[in-house]
Parts: sequence; C-alpha cells; structure tokens
Amino acid sequence: AQSVTQLDSHVSVSEGTPVLLRCNYSSSYSPSLFWYVQHPNKGLQLLLKYTSAATLVKGINGFEAEFKKSETSFHLTKPSAHMSDAAEYFCVVSTELYNNNDMRFGAGTRLTVKP
Amino acid sequence: NAGVTQTPKFQVLKTGQSMTLQCAQDMNHNSMYWYRQDPGMGLRLIYYSASEGTTDKGEVPNGYNVSRLNKREFSLRLESAAPSQTSVYFCASSIFTGYSDYGYTFGSGTRLTVV
Repeated sequence: AQSVTQLDSHVSVSEGTPVLLRCNYSSSYSPSLFWYVQHPNKGLQLLLKYTSAATLVKGINGFEAEFKKSETSFHLTKPSAHMSDAAEYFCVVSTELYNNNDMRFGAGTRLTVKP
Repeated sequence: NAGVTQTPKFQVLKTGQSMTLQCAQDMNHNSMYWYRQDPGMGLRLIYYSASEGTTDKGEVPNGYNVSRLNKREFSLRLESAAPSQTSVYFCASSIFTGYSDYGYTFGSGTRLTVV
C-alpha cells in the first residue's frame, strides 16, 4: 500500500520570501513522486517529478524538490515566492502495478502569498 | 491545443437524476482516469481504464459507471445522483509504458452540484 501526507493544509508567505511545502510518503515499492499545482477553478498542472534519477528535481516556475529516502520525504521549495504562486499544491506518490499507474494524492496544501 | 477536454464544465442535478460526464483526449494516451475532488481530501480515483476495452474500479466507485468508448473517449455516468456526489470531477490521461516516469494530463474539471 502507498500513501502520502502533506504536513500543512495551509502555508502563508510574503512575496519574495522562501516557500517550503512538506510532503511525506509511504510506499512498499520504489515510488515515483510528483508535485502538481492547481490554480483556482483550473485543472491540475504537473510541476515536477522524481523517478529514481537525480534526487534533487527541478520543475517549472523556479520550484524544486528533494527526494530523501531515509526521511521518506519529498518537500517542495522555491527561493522567492511570487504572487502568481498562490494556488493549491498536491504531492502524489505513484507505483507501477501490473497494468496501471497507482497514483495516490495528498490532501493538498493551499499556498497564500501576501504582498 | 492538445490535451484533455471535459464537458460540461458545470452542472446542477436534482437527486435521482442521471447524467453522463464526457472526456476526450487527443494525445494518443493508453490510460484514462476519473477522479473526484472534495475539500481536504485531495483527489480520489473513481474508475480507470488502462487501455481501450478495459475498465476497473478505483477507491470510490459506488454510484458510478464508466465506458471507454474508444481510445480517445472515457465517460462517467451517474445513474441516480445523490447529494454525496456533489464534487468536482476530473478526467486525466497518461501513457502507460511499464515504467512510472510520466505524470498525468488533467482536464479542467466538471463542477457538479446535486440538490
């Protein structure tokens, strides 16, 4: 079985300050890990993905995440928040099982960016 | 633009009414999925279709049926809508290659209210 826990339901930062969104995962197999972003009333967009290559993954819009197997974590960071980063972020764990990708979503973290 | 198209975008139903949510993708993806999104719960898988001609239940299939009409189209049917089915529904598609390094492409969602 696999699951993902996003440790904060809501994070608030000031524009220009660092962003940290925390994610811990549990998986019986070697997982792939993803971060998706959802802007209000929009679908989900892939930010970045980890698939057993480099442990530090760079994504779009200046985001990056580090896979730490010993801590079972995949935290999302950005050095300097922009107003347009305000959105909901989902951490996802995935394992190939037989004929399908079994993807499990975290509950989401809402990021607020203050001017 | 290439992607996943969902119709309708909004729908209000009365309890007991039926409806079909439509989804089509033009990326030649093998696999297609239906999720529902509820506040604080992330996305939960309703049904998926690993390939044309096959469908399988996900985490929350009760009250729903699906049809994989062809490789492009995957519809979700509510036979007798209930207020508990008020949610935002997302269709997604992916390439299944046996190696989990691909994410999903999501549609923009259908906001369904059952009164």
